[in-house]
Amino acid sequence: RKEVEQDPGPFNVPEGATVAFNCTYSNSASQSFFWYRQDCRKEPKLLMSVYSSGNEDGRFTAQLNRASQYISLLIRDSKLSDSATYLCGNAGAGGYNKLIFGAGTRLAVHP
Amino acid sequence: DGGITQSPKYLFRKEGQNVTLSCEQNLNHDAMYWYRQDPGQGLRLIYYSQIVNDFQKGDIAEGYSVSREKKESFPLTVTSAQKNPTAFYLCASSPKRGDPQYFGAGTRLSVL
Repeated sequence: RKEVEQDPGPFNVPEGATVAFNCTYSNSASQSFFWYRQDCRKEPKLLMSVYSSGNEDGRFTAQLNRASQYISLLIRDSKLSDSATYLCGNAGAGGYNKLIFGAGTRLAVHP
Repeated sequence: DGGITQSPKYLFRKEGQNVTLSCEQNLNHDAMYWYRQDPGQGLRLIYYSQIVNDFQKGDIAEGYSVSREKKESFPLTVTSAQKNPTAFYLCASSPKRGDPQYFGAGTRLSVL
């Protein structure tokens, strides 16, 4: 089993739709969780950190479920500009901040 | 502007050649990382460094080497021992353990 797993997609949704992605992780000692957005042929950019209490930033909401070992990202009112690959990452409890990334979920928002 | 600068943006390597990718940050971050990304795949850790003059192998270090002589700089050398070097190379940095990592714009390496 991979340490971090994501559904590769693509998720094809119309503008205005609500879409959700999950990301499962195998290391129960993981301490930090993040969602990144990566556009085609570009670097990943931090979208948001995921806290135990959840995190909301505008149309984006991230949740952490420790019992089931997954994090989620909800995007409301999808825009064409949301089309990208979304990577999740989590860092363990070791002596350094080693982030383990999933392979990403591709989102395509169409008119 | 504060950030992470990678150069060059594109790089071509001949057979048997060593090439060095540059990564500089002015964010005053202690930790720096090198990742490799192949098409349709996630990021794989090559090397990381938590402090100056110290670095550790990641998951795919074979055929690569690094140095960390200055806090701001973490260059990656792709040696001739790396038989499949074509990939997108990303450098990242983070302030401290538990913080998110921030990425440079990447270097695309191809073999001639």
